[in-house]
Amino acid sequence: SQQGEEDPQALSIQEGENATMNCSYKTSINNLQWYRQNSGRGLVHLILIRSNEREKHSGRLRVTLDTSKKSSSLLITASRAADTASYFCATPSNTGNQFYFGTGTSLTVIP
Amino acid sequence: SQTIHQWPATLVQPVGSPLSLECTVEGTSNPNLYWYRQAAGRGLQLLFYSVGIGQISSEVPQNLSASRPQDRQFILSSKKLLLSDSGFYLCAWSALASGRGEQFFGPGTRLTVL
Repeated sequence: SQQGEEDPQALSIQEGENATMNCSYKTSINNLQWYRQNSGRGLVHLILIRSNEREKHSGRLRVTLDTSKKSSSLLITASRAADTASYFCATPSNTGNQFYFGTGTSLTVIP
Repeated sequence: SQTIHQWPATLVQPVGSPLSLECTVEGTSNPNLYWYRQAAGRGLQLLFYSVGIGQISSEVPQNLSASRPQDRQFILSSKKLLLSDSGFYLCAWSALASGRGEQFFGPGTRLTVL
């Protein structure tokens, strides 16, 4: 299976701290994406990093990709209570027609 | 701008009853369409995807079926629901030739089979 795995499964931090989530995947990829899901809602795309990129930033988000280790990390800096959500990594199939999602990290930011 | 609609938002059905969930996309043409199921506290399981009208690919054997009668309409069905069909069903689309590969999700349908 190409499905990714996030680590940790759950993370609880104080507001203002940084949150780091990791994702491992199994096969070669064209890109890796991170999504956010608020409880009971659909997923929202956060950021995409291509296989030839090592790091990417978007606002308070920083994503790294290590294709040699088949892993990625998502860092949220200066966390806010509104960042409380589940975060998933996803990788497309070789054809780009299918997407494989990891099991998710549940982040709780305590005000 | 593109939008994706799913309905109903919640559904409670008895075991053995039929199911029809509908998903429509606006503002784009020839999208790839997807149905996912998410069990409580778990990740997403890809159920079906479609690259065009009438073209359905199934990822896992199951009690469900999917159809794409129109370019921007994707329907998830079952003739007889099982308890194990309970979950959160998400429809999503992606641009066939965008090169970016990101997916856009609908609000989801919470299905409870009793």
